[in-house]
Amino acid sequence: DAKTTQPTSMDCAEGRAANLPCNHSTISGNEYVYWYRQIHSQGPQYIIHGLKNNETNEMASLIITEDRKSSTLILPHATLRDTAVYYCIVRVDSGAGSYQLTFGKGTKLSVIP
Amino acid sequence: NAGVMQNPRHLVRRRGQEARLRCSPMKGHSHVYWYRQLPEEGLKFMVYLQKENIIDESGMPKERFSAEFPKEGPSILRIQQVVRGDSAAYFCASSPPGRAETQYFGPGTRLLVL
Repeated sequence: DAKTTQPTSMDCAEGRAANLPCNHSTISGNEYVYWYRQIHSQGPQYIIHGLKNNETNEMASLIITEDRKSSTLILPHATLRDTAVYYCIVRVDSGAGSYQLTFGKGTKLSVIP
Repeated sequence: NAGVMQNPRHLVRRRGQEARLRCSPMKGHSHVYWYRQLPEEGLKFMVYLQKENIIDESGMPKERFSAEFPKEGPSILRIQQVVRGDSAAYFCASSPPGRAETQYFGPGTRLLVL
């Protein structure tokens, strides 16, 4: 799986959009970008994933650059409950026989009142 | 639809004792994964199981650790002769068949070895 680089920490004002970047310059053509988050003392939670098109669901939007070397997770209206560590994970689809998720250090997002 | 359940949530053991951690996957999920999170570190994959089969145990320590997922009942992660370095949060996740990338995690079991 491709290596990812994320900032160690970020702050965001409550109600504003939180934009979390992730660099994955060595991503290959069959690798997807996944985002998970871990709220303190809880298990990780799946947020969103994509291959090359931008994706949106009820939790967030995922913007992937045209060259796929980086992506941004957008929480459109951050709330205090969004304070968590956010993990960007790049991996092949499970159909290729890869099962484990590889968690790096992630970005600690602090939403400030 | 209940989520992934783990018990106990907290477990205290003395060095040399055994720890048994249980995980019930989400309804309809037949794939279970165990991860370990040491203090101030990210999650590390340990093992992936389907019913009655260990598919990938590449992250399991070679000694003292074992996992099973019987035909009936929860998945069990067993740690024999625990040492202080085993103190960590152990998370279980489950996924539907063919969707290993979308894993649903339980609340974890926090093991403290005295």
